[in-house]
Order: sequence, then C-alpha cells, then structure tokens
Amino acid sequence: SQELEQSPQSLIVQEGKNLTINCTSSKTLYGLYWYKQKYGEGLIFLMMLQKGGEEKSHEKITAKLDEKKQQSSLHITASQPSHAGIYLCGAESGNTGKLIFGQGTTLQVKP
Amino acid sequence: DTAVSQTPKYLVTQMGNDKSIKCEQNLGHDTMYWYKQDSKKFLKIMFSYNNKELIINETVPNRFSPKSPDKAHLNLHINSLELGDSAVYFCASSPYGSGNTIYFGEGSWLTVV
Repeated sequence: SQELEQSPQSLIVQEGKNLTINCTSSKTLYGLYWYKQKYGEGLIFLMMLQKGGEEKSHEKITAKLDEKKQQSSLHITASQPSHAGIYLCGAESGNTGKLIFGQGTTLQVKP
Repeated sequence: DTAVSQTPKYLVTQMGNDKSIKCEQNLGHDTMYWYKQDSKKFLKIMFSYNNKELIINETVPNRFSPKSPDKAHLNLHINSLELGDSAVYFCASSPYGSGNTIYFGEGSWLTVV
C-alpha cells in the first residue's frame, strides 16, 4: 500500500524566515494535495498537483511536484505567525477520490 | 456560508454510550467521506459514499455505522463507545472520481471518558 512520509515532523522558525516541508511517497503520485490544519478550523485546502514538474503558488506558499512524481515540497516565503499550523500532504489512492495522508508537519512561527 | 458543516463540534460522553455526528455539504458534490484523526494527528479514511451508496469501507469496527439519507448528508453513528474512539472526526465531500479537490469540515472532537 502507498505511504506518505513528511519531513520534518515539526518546525519552529522565526517570523520572516523561509521554510520547506517535504512529502515523499512510496509510489508514484497521481494527485498530491496539500492541506493546512489550524485548531478549530478543520482542514483548509491549499493546492493540488498532478503533473510531474508542476508548481503552484498561492500568496507566499509554493508547492512543487518532482518530475518522477514521488516527492512534493511546500515552501513558505517570509513566514508569518498566520502560517502556523499543521501541514498535511495527501495522495489519491485508487480512482475513488480516497486520500491517504502523511503524518503532518507542525509549524510554529515565532514573532 | 459553510460548505461542509458537521455537528456537534465537541462531544464528551461516557463509555458504552451511543452517539451520532451529523454532516451536511452544500457544494452539490456526489461523494462524501468520514475521516478519523487520532491523537498523533494521523488522518485516515473510514468511509466514503457516492450518491448515497457506500463505496469505501476501510477496516472499521462494526460499531461505526454511516448513513446517507441523501447525497448532501452523511451521518456517523457510533455504538458502545470505547476510550479508543476518542479522536477528531472529519467529514468531507468532493465531486465523484479522481483528481477532484476534497473539502473538509471543521471536525468533531469526540472524547470518551
């Protein structure tokens, strides 16, 4: 079965610093999703990547999927306290829309 | 407007009780899901329904029974609650098939004491 491994598991950065979170799959990814979770707010959809080499950006967050479609990275530029939360990568398993998730990366941004 | 809404948001109950969590989506999606997030924040699918029909049923105890009265609603009923059932339960929805964004509700925090 497919597994997703995220690194690091937790991250503490100073406000204004850049950071990267990685997501590695044991199998080829056919749809890679990034979500952010804040306490009491559920999972917020950030981006979805499908094509090898694809890159998407939203405000200060950029997500990339490598050419081999087995690894994705999420990069935050000039981090702010509002970026704090748990970042989860999810991958499609099968053709039913089912997602399997990595274990999450907890991000803290110190003012 | 809340796209995927679930109630209650917090629930504290005793072992052995039966409880339900309700979910509704106003996105017009055909597919709805229940995910469980354990204490280690690991998120895992439990069930998926497409247009009221069960299509995914992961290895979940029989005490958990989903019910979909229509495609906009997917409720989760749990019988004989156990301590290990304490978790956050997320409802989600999406258009049917792969490659579609899955939208999650805000979660229901269940604590069994």
